[in-house]
Amino acid sequence: GQQLNQSPQSMFIQEGEDVSMNCTSSSIFNTWLWYKQDPGEGPVLLIALYKAGELTSNGRLTAQFGITRKDSFLNISASIPSDVGIYFCAGQIGNTNAGKSTFGDGTTLTVKP
Amino acid sequence: GAVVSQHPSRVICKSGTSVKIECRSLDFQATTMFWYRQFPKQSLMLMATSNEGSKATYEQGVEKDKFLINHASLTLSTLTVTSAHPEDSSFYICSARDTGPRTPQHFGDGTRLSIL
Repeated sequence: GQQLNQSPQSMFIQEGEDVSMNCTSSSIFNTWLWYKQDPGEGPVLLIALYKAGELTSNGRLTAQFGITRKDSFLNISASIPSDVGIYFCAGQIGNTNAGKSTFGDGTTLTVKP
Repeated sequence: GAVVSQHPSRVICKSGTSVKIECRSLDFQATTMFWYRQFPKQSLMLMATSNEGSKATYEQGVEKDKFLINHASLTLSTLTVTSAHPEDSSFYICSARDTGPRTPQHFGDGTRLSIL
């Protein structure tokens, strides 16, 4: 089956620093999604990417859909304490498999004030 | 934006009890909903895909008779953990998709199930 390799597994950074995380796959996806999960809550959608090469921003967050369709990255600029959480990437193959998504293992972000 | 409501948020019950969890799409119709299980510090594990008006599709290794799924309307799917035991304790999360080609999954807030 499809697998996503998400890295790094965890990050410890100082407030104000920029952060970068990425996902790679051996399979092609038509959609890349980035979610953030706070403890005890469900994941919240941050950015959705639908076109190879697409670069999309959401406030301090920027994500790109890799040109090969096999990877995506998420950048967070000028990190703040509330950025703490687990970030998941997810790949989706259009409407096949009823839009089932494959999830990465997550990147746990810790921001020191 | 799309909102998915999951209820209850937390359940504590005795071993042998059956527990029902509801997942509702509040502002869109979801022909497909997904049920996940998440262990501490791990990723989301897809259990089953819930299809409105038809049988759910279960992932390999997930017991159909243990985890009953009903998707009776376009806005509601339920997961029933039958005769729950301590090993069923976990964080269960649902998600839903609107129809159309560019529609990501939106998640509920999860249900923390603790079986004593």
